[in-house]
Amino acid sequence: DGGITQSPKYLFRKEGQNVTLSCEQNLNHDAMYWYRQDPGQGLRLIYYSQIVNDFQKGDIAEGYSVSREKKESFPLTVTSAQKNPTAFYLCASSIRDRGGRDTQYFGPGTRLTVL
Amino acid sequence: GQQLNQSPQSMFIQEGEDVSMNCTSSSIFNTWLWYKQDPGEGPVLLIALYKAGELTSNGRLTAQFGITRKDSFLNISASIPSDVGIYFCAGLLNTGTASKLTFGTGTRLQVTL
Repeated sequence: DGGITQSPKYLFRKEGQNVTLSCEQNLNHDAMYWYRQDPGQGLRLIYYSQIVNDFQKGDIAEGYSVSREKKESFPLTVTSAQKNPTAFYLCASSIRDRGGRDTQYFGPGTRLTVL
Repeated sequence: GQQLNQSPQSMFIQEGEDVSMNCTSSSIFNTWLWYKQDPGEGPVLLIALYKAGELTSNGRLTAQFGITRKDSFLNISASIPSDVGIYFCAGLLNTGTASKLTFGTGTRLQVTL
């Protein structure tokens, strides 16, 4: 069954702790992304990766870090430097077809709550 | 980062009514994507538009890519209760092999029986 998986669905952490969110895809997509969504708002891009061992900052990268050691995996670490980490985090991946048309698909999300 | 202007912000309609929402941008995009998001879930892709002027349907959904490449609309015909959710537009600009999306602020749709 192909798709994007994120784990865990709900995550709680104490203030001052780092936490890593998992994202795995078996769609053979080259590019992967992390977004943050706050209540009543759209999605904002944190980091993205076009290929293995390469990633770029998005619009709100401060306080976050990523790695892309495998094509299938793009974990996101929320560090203690992130001032307001409580949010819904969404992972996505994209494919470009032979005609140059892009489509981006999303995982089910992880809700992080900092206590 | 930029966000697209999406309207209306919310809609309350009766079952069976048609719905229309739109997105506008000050920037040109080469792709428009429309997503639906249920509470606590990830967005699900509804329609993808790749060419200015393109009109595409997916069941009761119809979307169009504006001629100026700065806008798009989504119509839902004969709404049903399961249409409830938040609808997002997203404009896409290709950068290398990655596709950076800019999202609208969402339209919350409520359907009453």
